[in-house]
Amino acid sequence: KNQVEQSPQSLIILEGKNCTLQCNYTVSPFSNLRWYKQDTGRGPVSLTIMTFSENTKSNGRYTATLDADTKQSSLHITASQLSDSASYICVVSALTGANNLFFGTGTRLTVIP
Amino acid sequence: GAGVSQSPRYKVAKRGQDVALRCDPISGHVSLFWYQQALGQGPEFLTYFQNEAQLDKSGLPSDRFFAERPEGSVSTLKIQRTQQEDSAVYLCASSFSSPDTQYFGPGTRLTVL
Repeated sequence: KNQVEQSPQSLIILEGKNCTLQCNYTVSPFSNLRWYKQDTGRGPVSLTIMTFSENTKSNGRYTATLDADTKQSSLHITASQLSDSASYICVVSALTGANNLFFGTGTRLTVIP
Repeated sequence: GAGVSQSPRYKVAKRGQDVALRCDPISGHVSLFWYQQALGQGPEFLTYFQNEAQLDKSGLPSDRFFAERPEGSVSTLKIQRTQQEDSAVYLCASSFSSPDTQYFGPGTRLTVL
């Protein structure tokens, strides 16, 4: 069964600190993995996308890693800002099927001053 | 250019009412997706269009849910005889083609009393 699991479910950190969010998946055949940021009351916005051959991708203070062998990904946020408070959703695409996106339940990050 | 827009942003309905939710995708995007997102959860797939063709509606929870995209651009998700369990945020996303990055609208928050 194709599944995406994220941890932790929620996280609170102080402004300026770093944090790492985890994503494990069982989606097969694997196409790509995306991290989305979803601010409260808004739709998800894509942060990074990685294919099978990529093991790291950065977007500003966001760095995503992918280990396709162990089917794990992480999203590292450095020097957190209050505006980073949001839900971060891991989304894995399968190679086949029209409905080929599998969503994690997200990690709710709260950055406090 | 303009992103995906959805209307209304908020809808309150009495149980048993019919509702219609609108999605305006990014111009030129062939693929359009509808998702249902419960509080604290990741989006759950409802249905997928390629142009005006509804290729996958396996995620629609019951025959009370109906979606259309008659001219291959704007889409409407209709829910008949709403129930309290229909309360959720309904997200629309579009992409140039099915495997590409999906761009999400802000969602419509439906509350059924």
